[in-house]
Amino acid sequence: GAVVSQHPSRVICKSGTSVKIECRSLDFQATTMFWYRQFPKQSLMLMATSNEGSKATYEQGVEKDKFLINHASLTLSTLTVTSAHPEDSSFYICSARAIGRQAQGYTFGSGTRLTVV
Amino acid sequence: AQTVTQSQPEMSVQEAETVTLSCTYDTSESDYYLFWYKQPPSRQMILVIRQEAYKQQNATENRFSVNFQKAAKSFSLKISDSQLGDAAMYFCAYRLDMEYGNKLVFGAGTILRVKS
Repeated sequence: GAVVSQHPSRVICKSGTSVKIECRSLDFQATTMFWYRQFPKQSLMLMATSNEGSKATYEQGVEKDKFLINHASLTLSTLTVTSAHPEDSSFYICSARAIGRQAQGYTFGSGTRLTVV
Repeated sequence: AQTVTQSQPEMSVQEAETVTLSCTYDTSESDYYLFWYKQPPSRQMILVIRQEAYKQQNATENRFSVNFQKAAKSFSLKISDSQLGDAAMYFCAYRLDMEYGNKLVFGAGTILRVKS
């Protein structure tokens, strides 16, 4: 089945530094990848949608300059949290949809727990 | 705007019993996809079942089945013979087709507890 690898699973960084999270589709090509943020016991909030080779589309209220998304290839998308602050601490999840598999749902990464101290 | 509502924040079920999780949605589209995802304590999102709106037959995956009522915009999930491993947070989701990509709109989720 389709597998999405997300790294790192956990990261602790100092306030003011940047953190990069990678999301790779291992056995399929993903035209579109999605980045979500999830607070404890809450739903997934879509942050942005990225399409390979083009700029990401951000949801309303999400700072583009703070959450940089790059989808440079059909198998890799990255989310960089720039100048992280404690309020950015959260669980971040990526999701990918395979080419030609519109009906088969979306495959999710295992998530990244970011703690900013 | 498309919205997904899960009115049950938490549910409990005895092991081996049956439980139904409710979900309603709002859309003006006639053709769309609906999904149920499971998120166990590991927080890995797992697809449980999906339903294509143009199909009248309710989707079934082993112990999981849905009751899809298109006119009522209802999409409930029934879990039969509940097992301890079913304990998780369950999300109902609607696929929203956008120009730049088909994104999922999630409900708030239902925490399912399974009692032994």
